[in-house]
Amino acid sequence: DAKTTQPPSMDCAEGRAANLPCNHSTISGNEYVYWYRQIHSQGPQYIIHGLKNNETNEMASLIITEDRKSSTLILPHATLRDTAVYYCIVRVATGNTGKLIFGQGTTLQVKP
Amino acid sequence: KAGVTQTPRYLIKTRGQQVTLSCSPISGHRSVSWYQQTPGQGLQFLFEYFSETQRNKGNFPGRFSGRQFSNSRSEMNVSTLELGDSALYLCASSLGDRDDYTFGSGTRLTVV
Repeated sequence: DAKTTQPPSMDCAEGRAANLPCNHSTISGNEYVYWYRQIHSQGPQYIIHGLKNNETNEMASLIITEDRKSSTLILPHATLRDTAVYYCIVRVATGNTGKLIFGQGTTLQVKP
Repeated sequence: KAGVTQTPRYLIKTRGQQVTLSCSPISGHRSVSWYQQTPGQGLQFLFEYFSETQRNKGNFPGRFSGRQFSNSRSEMNVSTLELGDSALYLCASSLGDRDDYTFGSGTRLTVV
């Protein structure tokens, strides 16, 4: 599985967009980019995933660069409840056998 | 729908004892994975079960074991507990390879 690099921490003002970057320069052609987040003392929560096209759901948008070496998770209107550790993970979509490789993630602090 | 249920939520054990943690996946989910989370090492994959068979195992000593029952419920066991086993143990379930993982809230194990 490809390794990811994320900034250790970021701040965002409440109501503004939070843009969380992730580098995955060694990603393979069959690997997807997944984002999970972990709010303090809870289990990680799935947010979104994508292969090469930009994706959007009710929680966030995922922008993947054309060369697929980096991506950005966008929370369009951050709230205080979005304060969490955000993990960017790359993995193949099939044959996963349950293994998610978590890095250190980005701690996002949303401030009033 | 009911989420992933882990019991107990908190546990205190003495060094040398053994412990069994339980995980009930979302109804219909056949894959159950276990993770250990510590401040120093972050989230680390322990093992994964699918249809009662262990499909993948992380880099943990043999003191860590698990099993899955025919109803997909899973247990993990840690024998001869060490202080370093103090951690949050998380369980995640999914339908299968192509699907995303839903995590439980975890069991906080403290070894004294």
